[in-house]
Amino acid sequence: NAGVTQTPKFQVLKTGQSMTLQCAQDMNHNSMYWYRQDPGMGLRLIYYSASEGTTDKGEVPNGYNVSRLNKREFSLRLESAAPSQTSVYFCASAGQHYGYTFGSGTRLTVV
Amino acid sequence: QKEVEQNSGPLSVPEGAIASLNCTYSDRGSQSFFWYRQYSGKSPELIMFIYSNGDKEDGRFTAQLNKASQYVSLLIRDSQPSDSATYLCAEGGSYIPTFGRGTSLIVHP
Repeated sequence: NAGVTQTPKFQVLKTGQSMTLQCAQDMNHNSMYWYRQDPGMGLRLIYYSASEGTTDKGEVPNGYNVSRLNKREFSLRLESAAPSQTSVYFCASAGQHYGYTFGSGTRLTVV
Repeated sequence: QKEVEQNSGPLSVPEGAIASLNCTYSDRGSQSFFWYRQYSGKSPELIMFIYSNGDKEDGRFTAQLNKASQYVSLLIRDSQPSDSATYLCAEGGSYIPTFGRGTSLIVHP
């Protein structure tokens, strides 16, 4: 099925561990995004990639890095996880006019 | 900085009623708006988009845009318990859409 695929769906990390969240889309969208969603805070943009080969910081980039591997794939890396990074992470892609398609999300807990 | 404001709710309506969800935005130049529905524990899902002043209807959903007053609304007719969710309004005129924090809707039988 066409859409945005995120892995993993759940993850528990210890403080200081690293991990990479994977995201792939098969809709031929140019733009891809990583958001985190916390209760009462809404969606907050971490990083985005307007097109293959470019990445830019969003509202809350500290503690994260991204890689736009190709047009389909956009990964998010936590180099040294902190409890403040406990959240639900969503990847999304966007075509020119029709809004976002979101992945199913990753629930990350850092202990 | 662009802002999109929504009342967090919850908005509680009886089954069969019309639910009215509202959103205001700060950038007078904004052109396009989106409504997303997010069930608890799930990802947001696009349900409506609107670019022009006036109304846009899709089944039980009607999006309304009033650029002069800078507000967007979503009407849900014949509300069902399955419509209970959080509804996110977004201004989407650039690479970086601005999301509101969402309004929680509860439709009770």
